[in-house]
Amino acid sequence: EAGVTQSPTHLIKTRGQQATLRCSPISGHTSVYWYQQALGLGLQFLLWYDEGEERNRGNFPPRFSGRQFPNYSSELNVNALELEDSALYLCASSLGRLAGGPNEQFFGPGTRLTVL
Amino acid sequence: AQKVTQAQTEISVVEKEDVTLDCVYETRDTTYYLFWYKQPPSGELVFLIRRNSFDEQNEISGRYSWNFQKSTSSFNFTITASQVVDSAVYFCALSEYSSASKIIFGSGTRLSIRP
Repeated sequence: EAGVTQSPTHLIKTRGQQATLRCSPISGHTSVYWYQQALGLGLQFLLWYDEGEERNRGNFPPRFSGRQFPNYSSELNVNALELEDSALYLCASSLGRLAGGPNEQFFGPGTRLTVL
Repeated sequence: AQKVTQAQTEISVVEKEDVTLDCVYETRDTTYYLFWYKQPPSGELVFLIRRNSFDEQNEISGRYSWNFQKSTSSFNFTITASQVVDSAVYFCALSEYSSASKIIFGSGTRLSIRP
């Protein structure tokens, strides 16, 4: 069974540009989560999508946004990139909220975003 | 408010030693879940265990064991007879049932096993 996949592996952008990160969950999982892991700051919860809707959001500015598609894959968009957005962005998936939970989350390999 | 504290930033031990990673949590919920994840140098987080707040039974899985004590709000992780492959960053995490699957991670403990 395929795990969570993320693309691209690495992404280099300049300040002010937009970045789009993609995530495909494990088959059967309807929930997708996004986390930011900046150097020295640990894992910070960004967004949770379930059944196509945003269910919860971490303490990040509105220029961090995303969406979930009918096939449960997800995109994370970061607008007006700033230098401090440089980080590893991890996507995780789990069974949906209707399955009871919180369920354990299975993580993808991450996208390393570098903002120059 | 929910909070997870991993006071040990880095631990280094010699192979075959036992090592315990500490995790202390704070929550006001009576229903919550605790997790441990491993992040090897490759970067991908690997799920290790989930416990709910109603199950205080300790768990053993091979060389790994977990000690959950609600009285001290702790969920410690012990690796017995450590191996070099155990070198990684280990994260403890908490999710309150009322916060709808939002998981709060501790800051992680970097474990180095020396040959």
